[in-house]
Amino acid sequence: DTAVSQTPKYLVTQMGNDKSIKCEQNLGHDTMYWYKQDSKKFLKIMFSYNNKELIINETVPNRFSPKSPDKAHLNLHINSLELGDSAVYFCASSQDMGANQPQHFGDGTRLSIL
Amino acid sequence: AQKVTQAQTEISVVEKEDVTLDCVYETRDTTYYLFWYKQPPSGELVFLIRRNSFDEQNEISGRYSWNFQKSTSSFNFTITASQVVDSAVYFCALSDPSGNTPLVFGKGTRLSVIA
Repeated sequence: DTAVSQTPKYLVTQMGNDKSIKCEQNLGHDTMYWYKQDSKKFLKIMFSYNNKELIINETVPNRFSPKSPDKAHLNLHINSLELGDSAVYFCASSQDMGANQPQHFGDGTRLSIL
Repeated sequence: AQKVTQAQTEISVVEKEDVTLDCVYETRDTTYYLFWYKQPPSGELVFLIRRNSFDEQNEISGRYSWNFQKSTSSFNFTITASQVVDSAVYFCALSDPSGNTPLVFGKGTRLSVIA
């Protein structure tokens, strides 16, 4: 069974569209995250949620809106997509917010904006 | 401030060679945690190891070994007898309790192992 699964794996769409990426973890973890990996492979945290509550909201345009219906799910909705949004988006989870907790990542969603 | 530096952007080795990936970190905390992740060409991120700041013992797992030295703020990763399947981007990361960011990643080192 996949521990952290995100869908879709690939997303190709046009500028201006709205799209969502879904993430689910079956590890029983309390904390979930969204990361953006740019074309140079740099990984940057976007959001983190703990037990459905927003904990970290880095400097991300408000076109990006995370939603956590329960602690096993953290979805990412993006409005009015722009060329600069093209990247790989990774969902991750950890047991809790402790600094010692390793994060387990999904396989990533490659978003390409035409 | 937290910072992780992986000075080697790309490394190429011939199969069976040993290779060391460098990682240098900065933190003001005395308690912190260091991680290594592997990202193979297929794109997923795979957790390899976690080390806490109070445990300076080197760790070995098969052909992988990690050398943690607090005196030089380094947490280097060595692959012995490299194989083509080791080709990947490797990320070092730092987490400390007082940091605003749960996990700070280095920029990664792309390792290419040539047959």
